[in-house]
Amino acid sequence: DQQVKQNSPSLSVQEGRISILNCDYTNSMFDYFLWYKKYPAEGPTFLISISSIKDKNEDGRFTVFLNKSAKHLSLHIVPSQPGDSAVYFCAAATSGTYKYIFGTGTRLKVLA
Amino acid sequence: EPEVTQTPSHQVTQMGQEVILRCVPISNHLYFYWYRQILGQKVEFLVSFYNNEISEKSEIFDDQFSVERPDGSNFTLKIRSTKLEDSAMYFCASSPYPGGDGYTFGSGTRLTVV
Repeated sequence: DQQVKQNSPSLSVQEGRISILNCDYTNSMFDYFLWYKKYPAEGPTFLISISSIKDKNEDGRFTVFLNKSAKHLSLHIVPSQPGDSAVYFCAAATSGTYKYIFGTGTRLKVLA
Repeated sequence: EPEVTQTPSHQVTQMGQEVILRCVPISNHLYFYWYRQILGQKVEFLVSFYNNEISEKSEIFDDQFSVERPDGSNFTLKIRSTKLEDSAMYFCASSPYPGGDGYTFGSGTRLTVV
C-alpha cells in the first residue's frame, strides 16, 4: 500500500543547477507534507514542510510546491550544491494522527 | 543543538532472542516515536507514545513489540522474539507536540537478526 510514492530512485544534477525531486500521494486525507534529507549512518533530518492550505513554501534554496488536484508535490533546490547529495524522503501526514507516511526516497547526487 | 540519542548503533542478535533498542529523546519533548527502515525500502511508522501510553501504532507493531519509558529520560523498543524479517534500521524520534515540523530523529540502530 504505497500511499506516498517517489518514482525516481536517483537523480544526478550538476552543481549550480536546479534539482527537482518529485513525490505523489494517493490519500486525499493527507493535509501536511514534509521533506526530509538523510545522509548515510544518520537519521532523517527535517528540511521543509507545506500545509495543504498553501501551494508553495520557500526556505532559502529550498522550495516545496504542492498541487492538490494532482496529488503531487515537488522539492526544488536551487542552486544545488555538492553538500546536498543525500537521500530525500517526502512524507505525508493527516491532522489528528501522529504518524508520517514516507516515500521510498530519491538519492540525489550533485556533481561538482 | 539538542539530539535524539540511540544505542547501540548496531545490534546483532540470534533469531528468537529478545532485543531492546534504547533511545534518549530530547529532554523537553513529550511525544516519542519509533520508525524502521528495511534495507532499500521506505521508512515505516511503528508506534507513537505520549503520556506513558501508546497513542497510535501501525499494523507492523504486533504483540512481539512493546515500548516503554522506564524513567524520565529513556524510551525503549523491545522485540520479544526476533525474526529474520525484523532486520532493519530502527529510528527513534521525539517532538514537543504531535507531528508537524517538530520531529527530531536519532541516527538509528541497525538491527541484524541472524
